[in-house]
Amino acid sequence: DIQMTQSPSSLSASVGDRVTITCQASQDISNYLNWYQQKPGKAPKLLIYDASNLETGVPSRFSGSGSGTDFTFTISSLQPEDIATYYCQQEFTFGPGTKVDIK
Amino acid sequence: QVQLQESGPGLVKPSQTLSLTCTVSGGSISSGDYYWSWIRQPPGKGLEWIGYIYYSGSTYYNPSLKSRVTISVDTSKNQFSLKLSSVTAADTAVYYCARDRDGDWAVDYWGQGTLVTVSS
Repeated sequence: DIQMTQSPSSLSASVGDRVTITCQASQDISNYLNWYQQKPGKAPKLLIYDASNLETGVPSRFSGSGSGTDFTFTISSLQPEDIATYYCQQEFTFGPGTKVDIK
Repeated sequence: QVQLQESGPGLVKPSQTLSLTCTVSGGSISSGDYYWSWIRQPPGKGLEWIGYIYYSGSTYYNPSLKSRVTISVDTSKNQFSLKLSSVTAADTAVYYCARDRDGDWAVDYWGQGTLVTVSS
């Protein structure tokens, strides 16, 4: 089974900061990697698919990159509404999540 | 706009079977471009994929749950269902039904989720 790890598990940043989250797969998954945002009490929301494609309607401050085993998710300028937990996902496996807070 | 809505008991006794149904509106469950999934999230924890079904009836189950899970589809009602047998407190979670896209396995539509508590 493919295992997914994320780092950090949590972070605090200021409004306007650039935020980066990494996701690592235990084996080569090409670009089959998706990213989600989950706010408390809500279902997750798809942000990025196939590692780097922005889902329709998602603000352009969100981006993704990577292939193979190492992937990066970036918020170019953190906004208050971005406070959430972010998950990477490969097929049937989700990463453990990264909780993002405002400093 | 596709919408998914979970329904079923919010409380199940240990050793019994958890049963949930997802009703899909705004799109046909028989579309060949999508798989229909159940995903759960224990309180305060991460997401766990339970399994999926294709409109034809083919299924995939998480190996860790496979012996206890059955997912079925009723295309005439545009619904799919989850049964999880022999539940314990560890099965307490928010259960989501969701649609995932063929090819990229991106889950693009989710139900609002329903909390199922296993307790006597």
